[in-house]
Amino acid sequence: SQTIHQWPATLVQPVGSPLSLECTVEGTSNPNLYWYRQAAGRGLQLLFYSVGIGQISSEVPQNLSASRPQDRQFILSSKKLLLSDSGFYLCAWILPGTSDGLETQYFGPGTRLLVL
Amino acid sequence: DQQVKQNSPSLSVQEGRISILNCDYTNSMFDYFLWYKKYPAEGPTFLISISSIKDKNEDGRFTVFLNKSAKHLSLHIVPSQPGDSAVYFCAASESNYKLTFGKGTLLTVNP
Repeated sequence: SQTIHQWPATLVQPVGSPLSLECTVEGTSNPNLYWYRQAAGRGLQLLFYSVGIGQISSEVPQNLSASRPQDRQFILSSKKLLLSDSGFYLCAWILPGTSDGLETQYFGPGTRLLVL
Repeated sequence: DQQVKQNSPSLSVQEGRISILNCDYTNSMFDYFLWYKKYPAEGPTFLISISSIKDKNEDGRFTVFLNKSAKHLSLHIVPSQPGDSAVYFCAASESNYKLTFGKGTLLTVNP
């Protein structure tokens, strides 16, 4: 069965510090991978998605970046965190073309980031 | 520009009664719709979905209705249980493997 891991679960970082959040998926190959952020009072905002190694699409301009160094690894980074980067970060995966074309995204447990 | 809207930030119902969660969308290219349930500090979990070729999909206590002409979908939970208390997100896709989410509705089911 497939599982998705995110770490750390919780992170408190000072403004201006770097960030690295990691997401890994097990039990599948060639998934699409996604990074979302849920900020206070807002829904789930898609930040980045990747359809393959080294392929990153950015949805929202910001000081964050993403990388996919391996098929089942997705990393969210920042060189300098802002207060507005605080939120709940979620990684998700999907296998395109499965389930008779009815795709669903499966989410990881999330990382709660607080920037002070 | 919010393409998926959940206009009710919260909803409170009695145990055993029906919960109706609503969602509106503006993008006529959306052809696949999903509902996710989310508990605090956890990732969302998939609940039920419907494609644009259908107007109803049922799974146990959960039914999703789609009205394409009105660009409206709703989730019915019958009967509601206290364990259903969570935030419910509506999401839509253009079959391009990207989902656009609404802001969510907090459902509270009172015993």
